[in-house]
Amino acid sequence: EVQVLESGGGLVQPGGSLRLSCAASGFTFSTYAMSWVRQAPGKGLEWVSSISGYGDSTYYADSVKGRFTISRDTSKNTLYLQMHSLRAEDTAIYYCAKKTSTSGFDFWGQGTLVTVSS
Amino acid sequence: QSALTQPASVSGSPGQSITISCSGTSSDVGGFNYVSWYQHHPGKGPKLMIYDVSNRPSGVSNRFSGSKSGNTASLTISGLQAEDEADYYCNSYTSSSTWVFGGGTKLTVL
Repeated sequence: EVQVLESGGGLVQPGGSLRLSCAASGFTFSTYAMSWVRQAPGKGLEWVSSISGYGDSTYYADSVKGRFTISRDTSKNTLYLQMHSLRAEDTAIYYCAKKTSTSGFDFWGQGTLVTVSS
Repeated sequence: QSALTQPASVSGSPGQSITISCSGTSSDVGGFNYVSWYQHHPGKGPKLMIYDVSNRPSGVSNRFSGSKSGNTASLTISGLQAEDEADYYCNSYTSSSTWVFGGGTKLTVL
């Protein structure tokens, strides 16, 4: 059974840093691209970042480019999102999602809440 | 990258059919057959309902169907059921090698 489980969320002050993790199981981790998607309170889904199966290609939304870094450790079947210079507008539930081989994100976690506030 | 345009809300009675539109540009929806749709219940992870414009993942009811014409994609739900009440989002690949979601549509089953 495919599972992805996020962790690492919490309360952080503006300008601070946080690292999210996503533990994956039930599939060959290095075969599939992975992504982070977030949902701010009362708002819709926003794609944040994606990384290729072997981690050699990364992509970012303009809203986080230069502040967030996506990475993966295939030996641990774990996806990461390192977040720096956090802003109030980064407050959201962050979801980890496995991408299909074409379009679509076919397995999602339950999300981890990041709150940026003083 | 601007969000794709969806109606904020749609509604229908049990048994009826509804269609949710998703409008983009030639740089996203119109340029690629990489449109997907998600059902999202509060407090849960989103569920993939349609990928590659019109394909259903295993386990998704055939009451859900997708299509695309030009820069607009559509999700149709036939034979509405109470359990279909949720938020629905479209998503597309873009010419910038990124992904963009629609603003979301709240479906109410009357």
